[in-house]
Amino acid sequence: GNSVTQMEGPVTLSEEAFLTINCTYTATGYPSLFWYVQYPGEGLQLLLKATKADDKGSNKGFEATYRKETTSFHLEKGSVQVSDSAVYFCALSDLPSGTYKYIFGTGTRLKVLA
Amino acid sequence: DVKVTQSSRYLVKRTGEKVFLECVQDMDHENMFWYRQDPGLGLRLIYFSYDVKMKEKGDIPEGYSVSREKKERFSLILESASTNQTSMYLCASSTHPPPDTQYFGPGTRLTVL
Repeated sequence: GNSVTQMEGPVTLSEEAFLTINCTYTATGYPSLFWYVQYPGEGLQLLLKATKADDKGSNKGFEATYRKETTSFHLEKGSVQVSDSAVYFCALSDLPSGTYKYIFGTGTRLKVLA
Repeated sequence: DVKVTQSSRYLVKRTGEKVFLECVQDMDHENMFWYRQDPGLGLRLIYFSYDVKMKEKGDIPEGYSVSREKKERFSLILESASTNQTSMYLCASSTHPPPDTQYFGPGTRLTVL
């Protein structure tokens, strides 16, 4: 079945450091891939998405490239800020299988220190 | 902006009580979802609905039921609450057809004593 694996947290970085959060997936079809972010006390909100291989999603300085050959969708940011402290979820939705379901990773907590 | 609201941010109930969690979205979305979020387990799908009066089981439906009488409202029901249902419950909605962005409510933190 479909699955998403993302790196364990927490990840602790100093402000302006480079961020990578790894995400790999298993899917039977051609999934769309998402990164969601959850700030303290809030629900999840979409950070970026990519719907086909080699697409790059980007938003708020974050980027992720859909790599079909390595089944990966790693999240990167060149210079993190304290305000980026949150939990990040990688997710997929596999349209060709006809499912309306989304599969989420377990989340990676990021803490950025001033 | 899409808005998904949930009836309570915090809820405390006793074992055996019937619990209703309400979710309302204001963007005329066809699809609605209920998840529970637990540390180390991420989000797990309980039920989803792609139309009024339609429902599908997710990955962990046991102990839960749902109701969707109107397009904008999706209710999660715990028929007889148990302590292992203590969790954060998140509602989401999305347009049809998938895949598309899911819009989440703020969550309800339920404690069952």
